[in-house]
Order: sequence, then C-alpha cells, then structure tokens
Amino acid sequence: AQSVTQLGSHVSVSEGALVLLRCNYSSSVPPYLFWYVQYPNQGLQLLLKYTTGATLVKGINGFEAEFKKSETSFHLTKPSAHMSDAAEYFCAVSGQLSGNTGKLIFGQGTTLQVKP
Amino acid sequence: DAEITQSPRHKITETGRQVTLACHQTWNHNNMFWYRQDLGHGLRLIHYSYGVQDTNKGEVSDGYSVSRSNTEDLPLTLESAASSQTSVYFCASSRDRAVADTQYFGPGTRLTVL
Repeated sequence: AQSVTQLGSHVSVSEGALVLLRCNYSSSVPPYLFWYVQYPNQGLQLLLKYTTGATLVKGINGFEAEFKKSETSFHLTKPSAHMSDAAEYFCAVSGQLSGNTGKLIFGQGTTLQVKP
Repeated sequence: DAEITQSPRHKITETGRQVTLACHQTWNHNNMFWYRQDLGHGLRLIHYSYGVQDTNKGEVSDGYSVSRSNTEDLPLTLESAASSQTSVYFCASSRDRAVADTQYFGPGTRLTVL
C-alpha cells in the first residue's frame, strides 16, 4: 500500500499565481512530514518539515505547508510563483510508516512548471 | 562547511561489470542512505547504515551491496551491473535515528549500463 501519495505528477502555473502541491499519507498515526525540492541536475534540498506543534509550517523560499490530521494531508503552498520555483517537489514521511527507523518514504514527486 | 559529495557524477559501464559509487560526508552523521531515482517511482531506498560496521537492506537491495568502515563513507557496489540498474543514485546522511531528523542529500550520480 502506498504510504504517501502526491496528486498530480505535473503542475503548471503562471508566474505570480498560487502554487498548490498536494500530499496525502496513509496512516492512523500521524507521521513526520517533509517536503523536499530538487532543481535540475541537483540533489534534494529540504524545504520544510512538520514534527510536532504548530500545524502550519513555514519553509524556505516563501513556501509553507499545513498538516491536517483529519484529512491526512500536508499540502505545500506558495502565494506567488516565481520562475525560479520550477523544479521537482517530493513529499516524504517518516515515523511509524517507516518503522520508526529514521528512514524516509517518498512520494512519486510533482514537477512544477512556471509559465511567464 | 559540512557537505556530502558523490563520485563520479556520471558513469557509463557495460552489463556484467562491477561498479562502485562513492559517497563521502563531512557532517559526522551516523546515518547514511543510498537511493535510486527513476521516473514514476520517486526515490527508493537501496541500503542504509546507522554507523560503522552496520548495514541494512532497503526496498530495492537486490544486486547492490554497501560497507561502512568509517563514519564518513558509504560506497555502493553493483556486483554485476544490469541495464535495469541504469538510474540516478543519491546518497544522503542524517545525524541519528530520530524519526524527525533531516536527511541531507548529495548531488547524485547518473549511471548508465549498456
């Protein structure tokens, strides 16, 4: 069973528009949640993560994500897209879903295209 | 600054050859991980290590091996390369086994098996 699902393998937005990338997890116990970004020909870089506490998490480059337990979701948003945001975005989980081992389970990724 | 490096960045090899991909981190992290990235599959865990002399299999470990003789390095060996192992390989490290620990990634190695 898929532990983390990213809805939409490709998302296209216009520059200045809202960015919304969706991530849902399947677990009765809330996991720890991460968003990573991968720019072309580079490794992954952490955007933000949720562990405990405040459910709205702010990350780098103006991104934020909200943990919603009732919806088992951790969607990534940015109010206004920049051309430089074009990249692949990965949602990942750890915790009980990965056996409490510190391992990450990744979604399949969403490619964000930003049109001028 | 601490970093994690991978070498080579690009490698072309032939079916049946043994290949070793290097990963070196200067974070002094206990945990190290190897992933492969393939279109439509995201990142899948190959092997991981929690410390020196410790290695564990991930979800796609067949045909791969690792060894951890020091804190800084976790080389990944393809015993007999197959075309199905053409992929981009990423190494990552994290401080310890805490489930909320951030993993830091290297730049990747693009491997082509002909």
